[in-house]
Amino acid sequence: GQQVMQIPQYQHVQEGEDFTTYCNSSTTLSNIQWYKQRPGGHPVFLIQLVKSGEVKKQKRLTFQFGEAKKNSSLHITATQTTDVGTYFCAGGPNYGGATNKLIFGTGTLLAVQP
Amino acid sequence: GAGVSQSPSNKVTEKGKDVELRCDPISGHTALYWYRQSLGQGLEFLIYFQGNSAPDKSGLPSDRFSAERTGGSVSTLTIQRTQQEDSAVYLCASSLKLLASTDTQYFGPGTRLTVL
Repeated sequence: GQQVMQIPQYQHVQEGEDFTTYCNSSTTLSNIQWYKQRPGGHPVFLIQLVKSGEVKKQKRLTFQFGEAKKNSSLHITATQTTDVGTYFCAGGPNYGGATNKLIFGTGTLLAVQP
Repeated sequence: GAGVSQSPSNKVTEKGKDVELRCDPISGHTALYWYRQSLGQGLEFLIYFQGNSAPDKSGLPSDRFSAERTGGSVSTLTIQRTQQEDSAVYLCASSLKLLASTDTQYFGPGTRLTVL
């Protein structure tokens, strides 16, 4: 079945350093979403990308959707302690527009040391 | 406005007992999802309801797991004859549109299930 993998599984950075997590799907996606889960919390939606090659920014966060719509990345510039948490990508399968569920990636846990 | 709510927030049960977990989605959301998250792990899809369509049960791990959604709103996830490996946080999410894998999913706070 379809799989969505993320690397790295875990990243520990010093506050102020940059961070990137990569998301790779075994099949083409109709769209990609990113969620953040704080420790002890539940996933919260960050952003959605739909177009091939799309890039979106939210303050220090930059999201990219690959040209082939099979991979995505999230880059955080100058991390802060508030960035701590697990970042999940989630892909919408490309079934020609048919309704379907999201496939969540394996997640990347970010730890930020002050 | 009110978000997705789940109850109970915590449930401790003995092996072999049945449990029911409840999810109240955001009003008007037609799609409802159940996920399971073991400690430090990702989200495991369990079941998906969309409108009046037959649910997608492809993620249910065994026939001990079942779910229903009454009146297109509240959903109950039932686990029969619980096992220790069922211990996890069970998350519910809902989304707005009738046709959408592209919609934002809004998650509830989850129910932490511990099977002794």
